[in-house]
Amino acid sequence: GAVVSQHPSRVICKSGTSVKIECRSLDFQATTMFWYRQFPKQSLMLMATSNEGSKATYEQGVEKDKFLINHASLTLSTLTVTSAHPEDSSFYICSAPPSGKETQYFGPGTRLLVL
Amino acid sequence: AQSVAQPEDQVNVAEGNPLTVKCTYSVSGNPYLFWYVQYPNRGLQFLLKYITGDNLVKGSYGFEAEFNKSQTSFHLKKPSALVSDSALYFCAVRDTGANNLFFGTGTRLTVIP
Repeated sequence: GAVVSQHPSRVICKSGTSVKIECRSLDFQATTMFWYRQFPKQSLMLMATSNEGSKATYEQGVEKDKFLINHASLTLSTLTVTSAHPEDSSFYICSAPPSGKETQYFGPGTRLLVL
Repeated sequence: AQSVAQPEDQVNVAEGNPLTVKCTYSVSGNPYLFWYVQYPNRGLQFLLKYITGDNLVKGSYGFEAEFNKSQTSFHLKKPSALVSDSALYFCAVRDTGANNLFFGTGTRLTVIP
């Protein structure tokens, strides 16, 4: 099956710093990737849709200047949490459907802890 | 608007017994329906999907789900539960013409040895 990787798997940072999370599709191309946030014991909430070669589409309530998304190629999307604060601590998960396919494949997630 | 309901936060079942995890949905068009499983501190693993065709869909690890249009349901089932099936299960829906998935709140399945 299709494989999606995320890096890093876990990051601890100080408040005010920026953190970059990478999402890669390893064996397929994806013109679209999705970024989700998951709080403990809760469901996944879609943050934004990353589009290769164009601007990301953000869900209502998600600050685009806070969560910068860059879809640099057909296999890589990055999420940068700028000026991170403790309330940004969460589990961030990306997903990607192979181009033209319905099924989304998910990365293993990145756990962010902001001190 | 699309929505997904998983009415049970927790399902407990004895090993070897059949299991059912419930899901109902609401979409404006024709639904694309998915089940994913999540193990602790991990991303989601795809189990199965319904796009079109047969209402009974078979997926990974012996799981299956039945699409019921009149009841707008897509319950996940397995004839004989394993302890290793214990995990968090998410139902998700995508409306035709939409790009993203909308997830239910998840159901934690515990299989008791």
